[in-house]
Amino acid sequence: DAGVIQSPRHEVTEMGQEVTLRCKPISGHDYLFWYRQTMMRGLELLIYFNNNVPIDDSGMPEDRFSAKMPNASFSTLKIQPSEPRDSAVYFCASRRALSWGEQFFGPGTRLTVL
Amino acid sequence: GQSLEQPSEVTAVEGAIVQINCTYQTSGFYGLSWYQQHDGGAPTFLSYNALDGLEETGRFSSFLSRSDSYGYLLLQELQMKDSASYFCAVRGGNRDDKIIFGKGTRLHILP
Repeated sequence: DAGVIQSPRHEVTEMGQEVTLRCKPISGHDYLFWYRQTMMRGLELLIYFNNNVPIDDSGMPEDRFSAKMPNASFSTLKIQPSEPRDSAVYFCASRRALSWGEQFFGPGTRLTVL
Repeated sequence: GQSLEQPSEVTAVEGAIVQINCTYQTSGFYGLSWYQQHDGGAPTFLSYNALDGLEETGRFSSFLSRSDSYGYLLLQELQMKDSASYFCAVRGGNRDDKIIFGKGTRLHILP
């Protein structure tokens, strides 16, 4: 299996621009998670999906952030408009339904907002 | 809410044994995971404990005490490649299908 795939790997943009991060989970995995990692805040859970349905978005920092999962093979995390404080590494992870503690992470997208 | 406490840094010598502790507070508890993350890399799964006791996987072992809300990761025969950050993550709270990560422990290994 190819593992979790994320694109782009690096994104540099200017404040106010729209940013879209993409994720392809491992085939057959029922759950998909979006995390953000910074030195100050650590690894924060933003939102997660079960069978393409959003379950908990309480970690999404504000309305500028939105996430979708139109099918089992694809999810997006969008930031509009972006701000410098959004600069972080964004990880997507997936897991099987009964593999409670084991998540497989993608390589991450390093976002820099100037 | 949920909270996890683990040391921010630990230093050990190559070939030695090191223990990384994790204490947690959560309204409902289902299990404790450990992840490793090298600089510039993604977290990778190491272990998951749902029941009290010690789970061993090669040089790594993980322990859980539910009554003490405490767990640890034990790394034996340390190698330089074990230099990384180690995160405990609790499965708990109002939902049993997500895990929340601690801030991580950076392990430095001296030759």
